[in-house]
Amino acid sequence: EAEVAQSPRYKITEKSQAVAFWCDPISGHATLYWYRQILGQGPELLVQFQDESVVDDSQLPKDRFSAERLKGVDSTLKIQPAELGDSAMYLCASTPGQGRVKDTQYFGPGTRLTVL
Amino acid sequence: GESVGLHLPTLSVQEGDNSIINCAYSNSASDYFIWYKQESGKGPQFIIDIRSNMDKRQGQRVTVLLNKTVKHLSLQIAATQPGDSAVYFCAENIRGSTLGRLYFGRGTQLTVWP
Repeated sequence: EAEVAQSPRYKITEKSQAVAFWCDPISGHATLYWYRQILGQGPELLVQFQDESVVDDSQLPKDRFSAERLKGVDSTLKIQPAELGDSAMYLCASTPGQGRVKDTQYFGPGTRLTVL
Repeated sequence: GESVGLHLPTLSVQEGDNSIINCAYSNSASDYFIWYKQESGKGPQFIIDIRSNMDKRQGQRVTVLLNKTVKHLSLQIAATQPGDSAVYFCAENIRGSTLGRLYFGRGTQLTVWP
């Protein structure tokens, strides 16, 4: 069964350093999402891509976070500089359609970030 | 999520019993709801969904009930098994928000003991 791939699975960094996370959605999935999940809370959307275009980045802290999906396939989320409050699980999800409400979002295993 | 929450953060049940996980929402424009299961170290997994024009939907061992009058959603798991132990999230789509965007609640930790 096809799955969303993410790497690394775990990342420990010091504050003010730069970190990057990678996501490879299920083949053929046009819509890709990045979520942040703080321990004990539900995922919160950071950015949504339709193919290579950003359709929603209203919750992305753009002073330090950036995301790209240059060829409309895999995606990278970057944080520079990292802050202590960025410690969280970063989840990637994808859907086969055009981000319609009924399209099931398939999640990857996430990247656990710890900022020291 | 901005308007989705849960009544109980933890729930412990005995294997074989039925489980009921509750979720409250506050936005009248919410028109689609999903339940996700998240096991330790894994991403959320889709369980079942329901549209706001329905009040009940059944799947395999799971039933979702929606009460729009009191803005309440519940997930019922029949004959709960140890493999059901996980955190359960309700998520909603709010009409007028970005297509496909989901708002997640805080989650309920379900523990099944033998």
